[in-house]
Amino acid sequence: DAGVIQSPRHEVTEMGQEVTLRCKPISGHNSLFWYRQTMMRGLELLIYFNNNVPIDDSGMPEDRFSAKMPNASFSTLKIQPSEPRDSAVYFCASSGGLAGNNEQFFGPGTRLTVL
Amino acid sequence: AQRVTQPEKLLSVFKGAPVELKCNYSYSGSPELFWYVQYSRQRLQLLLRHISRESIKGFTADLNKGETSFHLKKPFAQEEDSAMYYCALGGTSYGKLTFGQGTILTVHP
Repeated sequence: DAGVIQSPRHEVTEMGQEVTLRCKPISGHNSLFWYRQTMMRGLELLIYFNNNVPIDDSGMPEDRFSAKMPNASFSTLKIQPSEPRDSAVYFCASSGGLAGNNEQFFGPGTRLTVL
Repeated sequence: AQRVTQPEKLLSVFKGAPVELKCNYSYSGSPELFWYVQYSRQRLQLLLRHISRESIKGFTADLNKGETSFHLKKPFAQEEDSAMYYCALGGTSYGKLTFGQGTILTVHP
């Protein structure tokens, strides 16, 4: 397995534009997590899914942020409209979701810069 | 509520010196503790977990339920250990982890 795959790896956009980040979890994993990492706030959990269903989106900062998981092998995080303060590294992670096996596997991240 | 505290945001040591990264947690259930490491501009990767009780890259961590701590230790730090280290707490359903704020370790030559 290639591990968790994220695209794009880097994204530079202008304020007001729509940004879509993509994630492919490890095959067979049933939980998927979206994180944001900044120097000021560290690693923040934005939203997570189990069996493609959103479980907790309380970490999503604003209504400008939305996430979907249409099937077990794909998820998107969308920011519309984007703002400079959204600049960060966004990580996707997946896990088996089984009791007693909570190890999460992270993707390489998407470095987002909003000008 | 779950909470993980890493009191040191920055930690500097010299090569060959012992290093300890502190982690304290708050959780009423049976905790599952992890240490993740993130090398410069790379993904987070699991360093070790308390249930495996193994040593990875010379690092060890012991779960102390009395002190609710899971400190990461290495007797002789190496320059390649320079990285961001996150302590994480699991034990809930769906595999959710609660991460600490992270500690940036710098090992000087």
